[in-house]
Amino acid sequence: NAGVTQTPKFQVLKTGQSMTLQCAQDMNHNSMYWYRQDPGMGLRLIYYSASEGTTDKGEVPNGYNVSRLNKREFSLRLESAAPSQTSVYFCASIRGLSTDTQYFGPGTRLTVL
Amino acid sequence: AQKITQTQPGMFVQEKEAVTLDCTYDTSDPSYGLFWYKQPSSGEMIFLIYQGSYDQQNATEGRYSLNFQKARKSANLVISASQLGDSAMYFCAMRERSNDYKLSFGAGTTVTVRA
Repeated sequence: NAGVTQTPKFQVLKTGQSMTLQCAQDMNHNSMYWYRQDPGMGLRLIYYSASEGTTDKGEVPNGYNVSRLNKREFSLRLESAAPSQTSVYFCASIRGLSTDTQYFGPGTRLTVL
Repeated sequence: AQKITQTQPGMFVQEKEAVTLDCTYDTSDPSYGLFWYKQPSSGEMIFLIYQGSYDQQNATEGRYSLNFQKARKSANLVISASQLGDSAMYFCAMRERSNDYKLSFGAGTTVTVRA
């Protein structure tokens, strides 16, 4: 039982390049989330998927797109990376009950030059 | 408006002493949950404790307890008998039923435990 996995762990991009961050969970959770964490700050929600087949914007969606490929996988795409997107990206999942905590992946540290 | 406020950017605590981390929140939803997470220097987010808005008793998990004062909209984390391994960033977060149960995080408090 791996929980929530993310790939890659580290990535360096040049401005304008694109990439996809992958996230998968093996806990049969319904809802999945993408957050970013900037230095010295809390996490901010980028996009989320309340259930398979649905996605919604969070607090900071600009510059990102997501795909809920199936129940297990939720990917985050940067179409044209900008230095302002340098951050640590966390994926999280939750079964769906109000008392459940979110389980977080280990994070992807992204630097955009 | 800020939903979660953590006013202490950093704190020092002596090993074996208790430390209280402040968290206040803002919501008009009667159904919400409050969470505390620990983020060590390695970067992972570790769930510590949960308090539901309808829970009558304060939550406890081992050395962690949550001092829930609903009328004051306060959910302070108390860590008893601090250990060196408690040195980390601590985040308070809230989930509201009216907000699709999305988590809103505070800015965090860095705790440094001194030997």
